[in-house]
Amino acid sequence: GQNIDQPTEMTATEGAIVQINCTYQTSGFNGLFWYQQHAGEAPTFLSYNVLDGLEEKGRFSSFLSRSKGYSYLLLKELQMKDSASYLCAVRVEEDSSYKLIFGSGTRLLVRP
Amino acid sequence: DTAVSQTPKYLVTQMGNDKSIKCEQNLGHDTMYWYKQDSKKFLKIMFSYNNKELIINETVPNRFSPKSPDKAHLNLHINSLELGDSAVYFCASSQGGRGFQPQHFGDGTRLSIL
Repeated sequence: GQNIDQPTEMTATEGAIVQINCTYQTSGFNGLFWYQQHAGEAPTFLSYNVLDGLEEKGRFSSFLSRSKGYSYLLLKELQMKDSASYLCAVRVEEDSSYKLIFGSGTRLLVRP
Repeated sequence: DTAVSQTPKYLVTQMGNDKSIKCEQNLGHDTMYWYKQDSKKFLKIMFSYNNKELIINETVPNRFSPKSPDKAHLNLHINSLELGDSAVYFCASSQGGRGFQPQHFGDGTRLSIL
């Protein structure tokens, strides 16, 4: 089966750094996405990894190790507005089409 | 504004009724999706259409019927609504194919069954 695990909740302090981990067991791997979802809003795209290594985009970075089935999202210089859920999603290829399988999300609370 | 827009934003109805949710995207994408997000915040794909053709149909009760009149629209009709259908339904779109193709989501339709 397809399975994605990430912690349910994390708490961090404004200005600090937080790392949100994601492990996956999937077949037909075709890339890993991170989405941010504020309460009551739509998920918005943050980052994409398809090759091993680190992708940096401003305060956010994402890392992928395909051999370990592991990714993390790193958030630096945390701001209060970063309080949200962070969804790890693996794109898999099935029957010549692609679909995203989402983890249950990590709810991040940033405290002053 | 370029976006994925879905209507209505809120839908409150009685068990047993039939309802529809509409979705439109003006991003020029060729692939559209319907997702269900339950109370535990699990976002799960239901359907996907590519150029009006159904390409993904997850294990969803046949009370749910998607319809794509053109590649910019994907509507969802639900018959005989049940309590367990209460959730947030998200429409999304992307360009199909391999590679970097992030999905763009609508704001969601909050469906509550009384």
